[in-house]
Amino acid sequence: DSGVTQTPKHLITATGQRVTLRCSPRSGDLSVYWYQQSLDQGLQFLIQYYNGEERAKGNILERFSAQQFPDLHSELNLSSLELGDSALYFCASSDRGTGELFFGEGSRLTVL
Amino acid sequence: GEDVEQSLFLSVREGDSSVINCTYTDSSSTYLYWYKQEPGAGLQLLTYIFSNMDMKQDQRLTVLLNKKDKHLSLRIADTQTGDSAIYFCAEATSGTYKYIFGTGTRLKVLA
Repeated sequence: DSGVTQTPKHLITATGQRVTLRCSPRSGDLSVYWYQQSLDQGLQFLIQYYNGEERAKGNILERFSAQQFPDLHSELNLSSLELGDSALYFCASSDRGTGELFFGEGSRLTVL
Repeated sequence: GEDVEQSLFLSVREGDSSVINCTYTDSSSTYLYWYKQEPGAGLQLLTYIFSNMDMKQDQRLTVLLNKKDKHLSLRIADTQTGDSAIYFCAEATSGTYKYIFGTGTRLKVLA
């Protein structure tokens, strides 16, 4: 158990819909990272937050947005969903001392 | 640019050594990591190496870093069936907070 909690574990929805993925970082970690893992594209960095503020942005589509709340949990919002958005979405938090990333078990999104 | 490349698949026999390779392009990378992803699970850190080191050994794991060629490798000695997983290398630069992961190498260990 990494200490990072992601919900839901599985989600099936239709094209055009909107979903929200939730992540609670490890106790004491201030940074939250979001990654997308597709079968053919490995692990793609989407966005990172640190103590409520956006810190780094990767290959995140305009249809996607994220935020980190005062209690440090984070949400990733995916809208106008397309078939190609089907993937495993991981959240990770980083240890303040070592920088090691701790990953949640992921949210598997299937868009039909 | 930022790009981390790995071969997609590797198959070895139980008891043999496995060598998983990775190349990266950002010469300013400070930390280089190896993560393991077992089926249905998130990634877990296996080991890491600072960019000022050439080698790091941790039990069955040996990490070699060739900074000149921007090449990182992970050697697993006496590979077991429980080592079957996807292995990701990742690079990070101090102060940028951005970790770049490779495509992952799927290791299959044959009994």
